[in-house]
Amino acid sequence: QKEVEQDPGPLSVPEGAIVSLNCTYSNSAFQYFMWYRQYSRKGPELLMYTYSSGNKEDGRFTAQVDKSSKYISLFIRDSQPSDSATYLCGGKAAGNKLTFGGGTRVLVKP
Amino acid sequence: ETGVTQSPTHLIKTRGQQVTLRCSSQSGHNTVSWYQQALGQGPQFIFQYYREEENGRGNFPPRFSGLQFPNYSSELNVNALELDDSALYLCASSSSLTGEGNTIYFGEGSWLTVV
Repeated sequence: QKEVEQDPGPLSVPEGAIVSLNCTYSNSAFQYFMWYRQYSRKGPELLMYTYSSGNKEDGRFTAQVDKSSKYISLFIRDSQPSDSATYLCGGKAAGNKLTFGGGTRVLVKP
Repeated sequence: ETGVTQSPTHLIKTRGQQVTLRCSSQSGHNTVSWYQQALGQGPQFIFQYYREEENGRGNFPPRFSGLQFPNYSSELNVNALELDDSALYLCASSSSLTGEGNTIYFGEGSWLTVV
């Protein structure tokens, strides 16, 4: 079993819809959780960074972490075609070793 | 722009050869990590360097090695290349060894194709 699991998608939504992305993880030592956006053939771009359980909002993006169920989510409001990308979730304990899921491909159709 | 720069962006090598990839970390960041991302997969942690020493390693064989220089820039070396080494190699920098309260920024990566 992988430490971080993501549905590979693709997840297709119409422009303006809410995109809902989820990950589950198995490592109880994870305290920090990150979401990255990766366009084709580019490096990952940090979107959200959260510590422990709770919600964090930044513009159109909301990240949620539920450590009791080992479940992390990212919501994108008012989705745009430019949001079409692969979204990577990652978790880490203390230190810099990030463990990623396989990524979810998102397509936002105009 | 993350301030993490990598070179070269693309390269093709033959099986059995050796390759060196380079990374300049974001200004003020003293910790550099390397990741391998195969096509359609998430990045996998190779190792981390702090103060010119390896500090943490993932499940990669010894033919993957690295260096960190006094200016915090770093190299990833891969010997005896295999076809499965074909991947995007990502460098990441952060401002803290422990990672507490800091974030990790990635460069655009180096695409390696082994033929």
